[in-house]
Amino acid sequence: QKEVEQDPGPLSVPEGAIVSLNCTYSNSAFQYFMWYRQYSRKGPELLMYTYSSGNKEDGRFTAQVDKSSKYISLFIRDSQPSDSATYLCAMSAGTSYDKVIFGPGTSLSVIP
Amino acid sequence: DGGITQSPKYLFRKEGQNVTLSCEQNLNHDAMYWYRQDPGQGLRLIYYSQIVNDFQKGDIAEGYSVSREKKESFPLTVTSAQKNPTAFYLCASRTLNYGYTFGSGTRLTVV
Repeated sequence: QKEVEQDPGPLSVPEGAIVSLNCTYSNSAFQYFMWYRQYSRKGPELLMYTYSSGNKEDGRFTAQVDKSSKYISLFIRDSQPSDSATYLCAMSAGTSYDKVIFGPGTSLSVIP
Repeated sequence: DGGITQSPKYLFRKEGQNVTLSCEQNLNHDAMYWYRQDPGQGLRLIYYSQIVNDFQKGDIAEGYSVSREKKESFPLTVTSAQKNPTAFYLCASRTLNYGYTFGSGTRLTVV
């Protein structure tokens, strides 16, 4: 079993839809959770950085962590064509330079 | 603006040749990383460095080498021992309690 699993998609939604992206993980030591957005042929950029369980909102993006289920989600409201990208989840156990484990990414297309 | 600069953007390597990928950051971050990204796979850690003149192997270090002589610079050499080097290479840096900042990547192709 991989440490972090993520549905690769592709996921295709109409403009304005609410998008739900998800990851599951197996290591209960993970406490810090991240979401990155990667456009084609570019480096990933950090979207959300959260600690432990709960929700965090930033504009149209909401990150949700359920440590009891080992499940994290990223919700995108009012999706735009510019949101079309690959979304990577990532997680680590501590605040030091602990190893960060990435999911394989979900490819999202928002159709105008 | 602060950030990470990777060069070149595209690189072609002949069989048996060593090539070096450049990574420079002006974010004053202590830790720097090299990842490899292949289609359909997550990022795989090659090498990382938390301080100048020190670095550690990641999960797939065989066939690669690095140096960290300056805080700002963390070059990666892909040696002829790396049998399948064609991939997208990403350099990143990090400060404590925050996620990575990535460069724009180098796409390496064996010809």
